[in-house]
Amino acid sequence: SQKIEQNSEALNIQEGKTATLTCNYTNYSPAYLQWYRQDPGRGPVFLLLIRENEKEKRKERLKVTFDTTLKQSLFHITASQPADSATYLCALDPLGGKLIFGQGTELSVKP
Amino acid sequence: EADIYQTPRYLVIGTGKKITLECSQTMGHDKMYWYQQDPGMELHLIHYSYGVNSTEKGDLSSESTVSRIRTEHFPLTLESARPSHTSQYLCASSEGGLEHEQYFGPGTRLTVT
Repeated sequence: SQKIEQNSEALNIQEGKTATLTCNYTNYSPAYLQWYRQDPGRGPVFLLLIRENEKEKRKERLKVTFDTTLKQSLFHITASQPADSATYLCALDPLGGKLIFGQGTELSVKP
Repeated sequence: EADIYQTPRYLVIGTGKKITLECSQTMGHDKMYWYQQDPGMELHLIHYSYGVNSTEKGDLSSESTVSRIRTEHFPLTLESARPSHTSQYLCASSEGGLEHEQYFGPGTRLTVT
C-alpha cells in the first residue's frame, strides 16, 4: 500500500544546531513533494515545494533535498531557534492535485 | 496569514445533533478540501472540490457531506453526530492546476458527547 513515513519520535536539539527531518515514501513516483509546518491547535502552513528534477531547494534557513532513487526527502533547519519548535509534515501528490500527508515529526529546540 | 476562515473554532455537542462546520476563503481559489486529523496523527482527506457544484469524497470514508454552491464557501455537515466523529476538522484551499500549496484554516475542534 502507499505509505509516507516520518520520524515518529520527537526530535530534540539545542538552539543553534541543525535539525534534520526525514520523509520516506513507498509505492509512489511523485512529481513533487511539499513540506508544511503545524503548530499545536493550528492548521499547517506551507514552507517549501521541491520537484522531482530538483535535488535541493533552499529558503532562508531551510533546505530540502529530494532523492527519487532512495524515495526520500530530507528537511534541514540550520541555526535552529526555539521559535522553530513545531511539527513538520511532508506531503506528496500521487496524482491529480490531492495531497497525502505524513504524520509529521515534532521538533523541539531548546535554548 | 492565509485568508481562509473556519467557524466555530471549538464545538461540544451531544450525540444525534446535526452540525455544520463553516469554511470560507477570500482568495478566489477553485480547489477546496476538508481534512480530519486526530492528535499526533496524519491529516486524512475526507472531501474535496475542484469548483462550484463539484464535490468528491476523499480517501478516508466519512459520514459527513459537503456542498459547493459558491466559490468561496465549502461547508461540511454531519446529520447525526456521534462520539466517533470527535476530531479536528481542517479546511484548505489552493489554486487550480498542480504544484500549488494548500492554505489551511485554523481548524474546528469537534467533541461529541
